[in-house]
Amino acid sequence: SQQGEEDPQALSIQEGENATMNCSYKTSINNLQWYRQNSGRGLVHLILIRSNEREKHSGRLRVTLDTSKKSSSLLITASRAADTASYFCATAPRGAQKLVFGQGTRLTINP
Amino acid sequence: NAGVMQNPRHLVRRRGQEARLRCSPMKGHSHVYWYRQLPEEGLKFMVYLQKENIIDESGMPKERFSAEFPKEGPSILRIQQVVRGDSAAYFCASSPRITGGSTDTQYFGPGTRLTVL
Repeated sequence: SQQGEEDPQALSIQEGENATMNCSYKTSINNLQWYRQNSGRGLVHLILIRSNEREKHSGRLRVTLDTSKKSSSLLITASRAADTASYFCATAPRGAQKLVFGQGTRLTINP
Repeated sequence: NAGVMQNPRHLVRRRGQEARLRCSPMKGHSHVYWYRQLPEEGLKFMVYLQKENIIDESGMPKERFSAEFPKEGPSILRIQQVVRGDSAAYFCASSPRITGGSTDTQYFGPGTRLTVL
């Protein structure tokens, strides 16, 4: 079964607004990663946050990690139509050489 | 520096045929991963390989599926006697390193979309 679970499953907002997606997981991790997937395409790596980090920024992206609650959030500020995609969190379990993906959040930015 | 290459991008097979999916990792990457994605779902891990070695195949179905990463050439995911349930997108990823005993950033290819008629 998938370890990561994203919330919400779908999100629709107006261009310029901020979008927040959440991810929960169950086991100890080494790092947590967020990926974007446009419809019918491959995955693009957005950001990686390690288990000893609490917050990380990259451009309009802000990721937080709370290992005590086993949860992470991805914030996209000042959204654009081009941000329309599915967003997946993926955890790297300790000692495991793989990523465990959630079901994803489908984000739609309305112009 | 070319990204992860996968071919073919689309593959159509009839039930009972064999499917061969190829993956060339990014230059300098020695860790290769295969994932399967069903429609409207996230990716599920299948297998992790290094050159000439299968390291973790815990996500591979016990029958009909096999993977290799030879010393020379691309990694191959092979599905024998395909069934309709094998229809999915198959993604390959590569990584340059392992950090702290776990995988680091993985770089994904565009995927192969397999359709079984």
